[in-house]
Amino acid sequence: KQEVTQIPAALSVPEGENLVLNCSFTDSAIYNLQWFRQDPGKGLTSLLLIQSSQREQTSGRLNASLDKSSGRSTLYIAASQPGDSATYLCAVRPGSNDYKLSFGAGTTVTVRA
Amino acid sequence: DGGITQSPKYLFRKEGQNVTLSCEQNLNHDAMYWYRQDPGQGLRLIYYSQIVNDFQKGDIAEGYSVSREKKESFPLTVTSAQKNPTAFYLCASITGGAEAFFGQGTRLTVV
Repeated sequence: KQEVTQIPAALSVPEGENLVLNCSFTDSAIYNLQWFRQDPGKGLTSLLLIQSSQREQTSGRLNASLDKSSGRSTLYIAASQPGDSATYLCAVRPGSNDYKLSFGAGTTVTVRA
Repeated sequence: DGGITQSPKYLFRKEGQNVTLSCEQNLNHDAMYWYRQDPGQGLRLIYYSQIVNDFQKGDIAEGYSVSREKKESFPLTVTSAQKNPTAFYLCASITGGAEAFFGQGTRLTVV
């Protein structure tokens, strides 16, 4: 069974500092990995999707890397802002014909002004 | 706009009562999911469906039931057999190799 872990569970940084969020998974046979953002009491918003054949994906200040062989993905957020405060979750999908997603518990980020 | 609509946003259930949470998508996605989220915990999969008229149990299906009669709709019923239903429920959909999309959630409270 796929196990997804996100460490740390919580992170507090001053505004302007770069954020590094980690996601690890036990079974390297994944189809893709997706990073989400969740604000309190809201649904999940997709940030980045990385296919298993890709090494990284970028969108604005966000960059996600994937090392499938070691079972790791990292989300980098450059020059953090108070508006980046949220919980960030990663999810892995096992196969092209298997839509079942496995989630980590998330990292709650606080960016101090 | 394309997206996933969950209703209601807040729902209150009395002891012994069945309640149904609605999830509708207009994205033409094949697969739909129901997740439960408890404070401080990750998302746990209740049920998922990859095609119409077919669905599979997730990790915590006991006390829940679903149907998938239309591609666009995947309602979740929380039955009286679910002894601890107070939680935040999230519906999602996905197709092909694309990203998953989520609704805004339903907060269910037992009164």
